[in-house]
Amino acid sequence: GESVGLHLPTLSVQEGDNSIINCAYSNSASDYFIWYKQESGKGPQFIIDIRSNMDKRQGQRVTVLLNKTVKHLSLQIAATQPGDSAVYFCAGGVGGGGNKLTFGTGTQLKVEL
Amino acid sequence: NAGVTQTPKFRILKIGQSMTLQCTQDMNHNYMYWYRQDPGMGLKLIYYSVGAGITDKGEVPNGYNVSRSTTEDFPLRLELAAPSQTSVYFCASGPVHTGSYEQYFGPGTRLTVT
Repeated sequence: GESVGLHLPTLSVQEGDNSIINCAYSNSASDYFIWYKQESGKGPQFIIDIRSNMDKRQGQRVTVLLNKTVKHLSLQIAATQPGDSAVYFCAGGVGGGGNKLTFGTGTQLKVEL
Repeated sequence: NAGVTQTPKFRILKIGQSMTLQCTQDMNHNYMYWYRQDPGMGLKLIYYSVGAGITDKGEVPNGYNVSRSTTEDFPLRLELAAPSQTSVYFCASGPVHTGSYEQYFGPGTRLTVT
C-alpha cells in the first residue's frame, strides 16, 4: 500500500522568504498527489494537485514538483505570509475505486515576522 | 452551497456508550469518506462510499460502522466507545473524476472517550 511521509515535522521561515516542504512516497502506482493545508481547528483545505505524468505544476504562489525517480515531491510557497502558517499534508492516491487518499503525517509551517 | 457539514462539533462519551457522527454534503458528490486524525498525525481512512447503498472499509474500520442511504448523507456509527477512539473525525466528499481528485472536507468532530 501507499506510505507517504514528510521529512521534517516543523519548518520555520521568515515572512517574505520562500518555503519548501518535502514529501516522500512509496507506491510507484500512485496516479496523483495532493497538497492540503490545515489550520488549527479546521478541516484540510485543498492547495494544489499533480498527476503522476507531470513533473511540475504551478498555482497562485505555490509550485509542486514531482520526482518519480526518487519518489519525492515538494511544495514551494513563494513570498511566505503569516496566513500561510499551518500544517501541510501531502497525500497520494490511485485513481478509481473511490479515489482513496493516503496522507502523510504533516509539516508544521511557522512564519516568523 | 454549504459544502460538507458535520455534527456535532464536540462530544464527550463514556466508555461503552454509542453515538452517530453526522455528515451531509450538498455538492452532489458520489464519493464520501470518513477519516480520523490523532494528535500530530495525518488522516487515516475509516470507511468510504462510492455511491448510495455502497460502502467499503478503509485502513482503520474496527469499532465503526457506516451507511449510505442517500447521496447527501454518510453517518458514522461508533458502538461501544473506547478511549482509543478519542480523535478528531473528518468527513469528506469528492466527485467522480472530473479532472481533479480533490476531496472536500468538513470542519471535523472532536470526540473524547473517557
